[in-house]
Amino acid sequence: NAGVMQNPRHLVRRRGQEARLRCSPMKGHSHVYWYRQLPEEGLKFMVYLQKENIIDESGMPKERFSAEFPKEGPSILRIQQVVRGDSAAYFCASSPRQGREKLFFGSGTQLSVL
Amino acid sequence: DQQVKQNSPSLSVQEGRISILNCDYTNSMFDYFLWYKKYPAEGPTFLISISSIKDKNEDGRFTVFLNKSAKHLSLHIVPSQPGDSAVYFCAASARTPNAGKSTFGDGTTLTVKP
Repeated sequence: NAGVMQNPRHLVRRRGQEARLRCSPMKGHSHVYWYRQLPEEGLKFMVYLQKENIIDESGMPKERFSAEFPKEGPSILRIQQVVRGDSAAYFCASSPRQGREKLFFGSGTQLSVL
Repeated sequence: DQQVKQNSPSLSVQEGRISILNCDYTNSMFDYFLWYKKYPAEGPTFLISISSIKDKNEDGRFTVFLNKSAKHLSLHIVPSQPGDSAVYFCAASARTPNAGKSTFGDGTTLTVKP
């Protein structure tokens, strides 16, 4: 029973490039959350998606960031024109339904912007 | 404005003794609380949770206490073991507008010395 799969584990980009982070939720889970962890800080909520729908994007920066969770395939967090301040660990989590559920986290993608 | 605060960045205890990790929150809408444990290079894993209708929840060596009037919760680990050394995150959620979204504290690094 595979857990939440994130890839790549490490991603290096130069300033101005695009970063694509992928997340496959646990089998049977249709709710996906993305969190970002900056150095020495906690996890900050970014976006909550269900299949084909963005439910809550209140934590997403207004520009350059987007997320999707298509009917088929993984959820994608896309960062356009990356800047050094985007360097962080990005964690994806999933749950089987909305509500007071514990979240199952992936191992994260460490994004480094040179 | 940080709504979930873990004021102790680190805690060191001796093996076999009790570890007490603290968490304060400011949002009175929070009514469900969770603790996660995180090892380096891994995603957080769920540890224990508590609903605001309770003031205590116990699971093996782990007990969470909730003091709603003080907006304070604590995680007790007894007896502490070296394998408990990790970063512990407190998280909270509100029923509305998005019951699935959790707000995390910055974490407390627990070190259990043999």
